[in-house]
Amino acid sequence: AQSVTQPDIHITVSEGASLELRCNYSYGATPYLFWYVQSPGQGLQLLLKYFSGDTLVQGIKGFEAEFKRSQSSFNLRKPSVHWSDAAEYFCAVAPGGSYIPTFGRGTSLIVHP
Amino acid sequence: DADVTQTPRNRITKTGKRIMLECSQTKGHDRMYWYRQDPGLGLRLIYYSFDVKDINKGEISDGYSVSRQAQAKFSLSLESAIPNQTALYFCATSDSGTGAIQQYFGPGTRLTVT
Repeated sequence: AQSVTQPDIHITVSEGASLELRCNYSYGATPYLFWYVQSPGQGLQLLLKYFSGDTLVQGIKGFEAEFKRSQSSFNLRKPSVHWSDAAEYFCAVAPGGSYIPTFGRGTSLIVHP
Repeated sequence: DADVTQTPRNRITKTGKRIMLECSQTKGHDRMYWYRQDPGLGLRLIYYSFDVKDINKGEISDGYSVSRQAQAKFSLSLESAIPNQTALYFCATSDSGTGAIQQYFGPGTRLTVT
C-alpha cells in the first residue's frame, strides 16, 4: 500500500522568507500527486497537482512543487511567504487507476510578521 | 463557493446517541467520499461511493455507516457515538468523467461526543 510522509509537523517562517514543505511517498509506480491547503475553519483547497509531464508544476497563490522520481518526493515551495499563507498543508498521493488518495499527516505553517 | 455543503457544521452529542451527518453537492459529480481529520493524523477515509449503487469501506469504517440517497447526497451515520469519534469530518466529491482524480471538499462538520 502507498504511504505519504510529511516529516515536518510544524514549520515557522518569517513573512517574506522562502518556504519549502517536504513530502515523500512510497509507491512502486509514479502516482498522482497533490498539495492541498486548509485554512483555519475551512475545508481543503487544491493548490496544485501532478499527473505527468513537466516535473515542476505551478499552482495557485504563487506555490509550485517539483516531482523528483529518484527521491520519491513532491516538495512544495514558495519564494516569498505572506501572513495569509499560515495554514495546514497536506500532501496526497493516489495510485493511477484507484483515484483514492492517501493523505499525509499535514504540516502546520506558522508565519511570523 | 458552496458546491459541496455539509450539515450540521457543528454538533455536540452524547455517548450512545445515533447521529447523521449530511453532505450535498451541486457539482454533478458521481463520486463521493467521507473522511475524518484528527490532529496529527491527517485525513483518513471512512467510506466512499463511486455511484448511487456503489458503496465501499475505507480505512476506518468501523462504527460508521453511509447512505447514498441520490447522486447529489451522501450521508454518514454514527450508530452509537463514542468519544473517540470526536473529530472533524469532511465530505468530498470527484468526477469520473474528468479523470476522477481531483477532489472537492466541503467545509467540514466538527463533531464532539461527550
